[in-house]
Formats: sequence, C-alpha cells, structure tokens
Amino acid sequence: DQQVKQNSPSLSVQEGRISILNCDYTNSMFDYFLWYKKYPAEGPTFLISISSIKDKNEDGRFTVFLNKSAKHLSLHIVPSQPGDSAVYFCAAKGNSGGSNYKLTFGKGTLLTVNP
Amino acid sequence: KAGVTQTPRYLIKTRGQQVTLSCSPISGHRSVSWYQQTPGQGLQFLFEYFSETQRNKGNFPGRFSGRQFSNSRSEMNVSTLELGDSALYLCASSLDSGPGATPLHFGNGTRLTVT
Repeated sequence: DQQVKQNSPSLSVQEGRISILNCDYTNSMFDYFLWYKKYPAEGPTFLISISSIKDKNEDGRFTVFLNKSAKHLSLHIVPSQPGDSAVYFCAAKGNSGGSNYKLTFGKGTLLTVNP
Repeated sequence: KAGVTQTPRYLIKTRGQQVTLSCSPISGHRSVSWYQQTPGQGLQFLFEYFSETQRNKGNFPGRFSGRQFSNSRSEMNVSTLELGDSALYLCASSLDSGPGATPLHFGNGTRLTVT
C-alpha cells in the first residue's frame, strides 16, 4: 500500500528551463510534506517543506505547491541547473494510526538537467 | 557541527550471517530513524527511536531490530541475512519526533551486500 506516489521515475529538462516534479498521496491524515534531493553515494538532503495549512512555499529557486483537495503536490525548480541533477524524493508525515508521524517516502524521480 | 555518521560505509556478508550497523546522530538530536533503500522501492521505513525508546516500527520481519543508547547513538541489527537484504541502509536524525516538519538529516548510508 503505497501512500506516497511519484509516478514519473525520470525527468529530463534543459538548463535554464523549469523542472516540475509531481507527487500524489492517498492518506488524508498527512499534514506535512517534504522534498529531499539525493546524489549517488550520499544520503538524502532536505530541500523544502510545506504544511497542509498552506498551498505554496518558496525558497530561492525551489517552490512547492500543495493541492489538498487533489492530494497532490509539486516541486518547481526555476531555473534548472546541471547541479540539480539528482533523485528527488517526496515525503509526507501525519498522524496515521499505528505509525504516528513517521516520514513516508515516494520512490523518487531522477531529474537530469542537460547543459 | 558534524553530520550524521554511519559505519561502516560498505559491508559484504554471507547468507545466514548477522550484521550490526552503527549510527551517530547530529549532536543534540534525540530522534534516530532507519530506512532501507533498494532499487525501485524508494526509502522504506524500518524504525524510529527517541530517547532510547522505539517509537515507530515499519513492516519488516523480526530479523530486523535496533536500539538506541543514552548518548542517542543507534545500532540496527539484521540476523539470518537473506539475499534480499542487500540494500543501502540509511540512518537519519532529528531534534525531536512527532508532528511538525522537523526535517530528518541523513547519513551517507551503509551499503550492505549479501552473497
């Protein structure tokens, strides 16, 4: 039962353009959402988060949008840079019964930014 | 401030053996979580410890166990290793546990190969 889904295993964009990474969730008890970036041979690093009481959060080139009614969030990277090439994980947490507040991850999307 | 440290970085074991992985969290962090990453499966939650108590547990068999010491350092143990246990094991620490978007800070992982 996958509660956080990233349906695109990979995405390729040109340097300078916008990258849009999507994430869907099924558990309505999730109330915080986070994005992580992972380079090969390194652990994931935290990028940006959003609370369910907001619909947008911005930090520099990174913006996360949340659509609660659709149970959908997206990460926008503008402009995209070659150094952004990495696997991006969407994660969610909330009071979900037996596993309160554990962070649940999607399977990740490999972003490739071409020079 | 030193990051999350995991030892060893690489490990090769034989089926049926057991293994212990170690994690030192960021100083002051009391919550330690463990995740398993395999190709195509994203990050699967194993367990979380907070102040030496297991707070959450994922859907892994009893062969997977962990503990946390009074200095917040944590170990996870896998007994009777199977080929399918080959994975990257990631440890993450955070200041606290529970609600809120307190981000997890990950180590670089231990790559376990079972032959």
